[in-house]
Amino acid sequence: EPEVTQTPSHQVTQMGQEVILRCVPISNHLYFYWYRQILGQKVEFLVSFYNNEISEKSEIFDDQFSVERPDGSNFTLKIRSTKLEDSAMYFCASSEALAGGHEQFFGPGTRLTVL
Amino acid sequence: RKEVEQDPGPFNVPEGATVAFNCTYSNSASQSFFWYRQDCRKEPKLLMSVYSSGNEDGRFTAQLNRASQYISLLIRDSKLSDSATYLCVVNMEADYKLSFGAGTTVTVRA
Repeated sequence: EPEVTQTPSHQVTQMGQEVILRCVPISNHLYFYWYRQILGQKVEFLVSFYNNEISEKSEIFDDQFSVERPDGSNFTLKIRSTKLEDSAMYFCASSEALAGGHEQFFGPGTRLTVL
Repeated sequence: RKEVEQDPGPFNVPEGATVAFNCTYSNSASQSFFWYRQDCRKEPKLLMSVYSSGNEDGRFTAQLNRASQYISLLIRDSKLSDSATYLCVVNMEADYKLSFGAGTTVTVRA
């Protein structure tokens, strides 16, 4: 069964450092997403990406964040200068079509710890 | 008001019991509704979509009440493997994002 994969599974970084989280969505999917979940809190939407551009972003997704699809398979989330409050689980997701009625498949997540 | 609100539980039930819980959503324009399941420190996984007429998937039954803006999930004949956090999720038509509730924790004991 096809699945979304993410690397690394755990990333530890110092405050102020840049991190890049990587995702390989399911191959025939067209819509890609990043969500985050701070420990003990709900899953929060960050950004969606379609046709090589951002289609929607939340208030959390400020200038410190960027996304890219550098090639035909990878989808990355970059945090330019990490803050302590960026510590969270980051989930990548993909879907065949727009969210309504179409399942978003989630990857296993990257646990980001900012020290 | 939160977009999606759930009773956090925990619901602690014996094997074989029936457990049910609700979720309310604030945006009347919401069009698609889902229950996802999340195991500890794992990714959310779709349990079932929720349709206007209500739907069943094995031991799981979901109901939608648009007038009162709530969704329910009922689990019959609970198994130990049903222990998880159940996430209520809504989406607006032509919207990209999923809006998640904080989850309802269910623990099934032997």
